[in-house]
Parts: sequence; structure tokens; C-alpha cells
Amino acid sequence: SQQGEEDPQALSIQEGENATMNCSYKTSINNLQWYRQNSGRGLVHLILIRSNEREKHSGRLRVTLDTSKKSSSLLITASRAADTASYFCATQAAGNKLTFGGGTRVLVKP
Amino acid sequence: DAGVIQSPRHEVTEMGQEVTLRCKPISGHDYLFWYRQTMMRGLELLIYFNNNVPIDDSGMPEDRFSAKMPNASFSTLKIQPSEPRDSAVYFCASRSDGNNQPQHFGDGTRLSIL
Repeated sequence: SQQGEEDPQALSIQEGENATMNCSYKTSINNLQWYRQNSGRGLVHLILIRSNEREKHSGRLRVTLDTSKKSSSLLITASRAADTASYFCATQAAGNKLTFGGGTRVLVKP
Repeated sequence: DAGVIQSPRHEVTEMGQEVTLRCKPISGHDYLFWYRQTMMRGLELLIYFNNNVPIDDSGMPEDRFSAKMPNASFSTLKIQPSEPRDSAVYFCASRSDGNNQPQHFGDGTRLSIL
């Protein structure tokens, strides 16, 4: 079963706009990670946020984590056509396994 | 670093044939993971290894699937006999030891069983 569930399932925006996607999960975690997948390629790690962190930034990416609500958000600011991809959240509880959500498909129109 | 390398990138074969997927992890990584991705089920973990030893194979669908890691730089995933429902993209990922480490994925093998 999937631990993380992304919302929305699909998102279409204009270049330059911000894109926000959310992830909810069910059990306690050690960390939550976001990955990007371009069509026909493998997943690429974007950012990892630990359970004791609330916010993290990397370039145009901003991730928040609310462990009380068991939710996370990924914000991509000033989107570019190259940001068109699927974005997945993944949770790591105790142990070494990641559990992935179903992903959000993002289309950035030029 | 070359990243995780998977071969072949595409495989088309007939039902009943044996299929072997290959993976070379990033040098120095202690963990190796095999995943399967389909539209219906998303990304599923099949099995993972630590220091070449299988740790958790609870995601392997059935006995037709087997995985080995004979050394730190090579792993295989075999399906014998293959069935059309095995059609999917299979990913290998590796990770270094330590807490809070990300996984690094290969570009996958797109498998089609006719």
C-alpha cells in the first residue's frame, strides 16, 4: 500500500508561476524525500527533510513538513518548462525502505 | 561518478521466456534496491540488499522472480517464466550507508512481455 499520497494528481501552469503540491502520509517517519521523474528516465532526488525539521530550501524548491498533520508540501517557484515532470514524495520510517506516493504530474507551459 | 547503470534499457520478449535485468550501483554504496513501476500500482519495492545480502524480499511478487547480488558492483533480477502482467519499468537504485541518505536511481529497464 502507498504511504504517501500526492495532491493534486496533475497540475498545469504557465512558465513563471509557482507550483505547489502536497503529500500526506499515515505513519511516523524518520524523513520525507521528494523526487522528480522526467519521462522515460529514473527518479532524481530533489530534497530530503528530516522529521525534526519544518522547512527546507534548495534553489527554487521549498519543502515544508508538518508531522502533526502528517503532511508535506513542495513549492517550485518561478517555474520553467524544464520543470515539466512527475514529482513523488517518499517516506522513510524506521528501516531502510522508502514508500512512494502516486506522484503529481506537472506541466509547465511556455 | 557514472551513476546507477541498468541494462538493457528496453526488453521485448515472449511469454514464457526468461528475462534477466542487470544493475551496476554507484561505487561505494552499501544498499541496492529493485523497484517496479506501473501505471496501476505506481512504484513498488521488490527487494533490497545491504552489503550484497538480501534483507527484505517481501515485495517480490512470486517465485518466478529472483534477485542476486554476487558482488558489490553487480545485481540481477530474473523473471522465469515471464508473463504479460510482468510488463513494467524496472528500476534499480543504490544508496550509501548512514541515516537520511537519498537513493540514486538508474534510468530503468522497460520490459514488455508479449
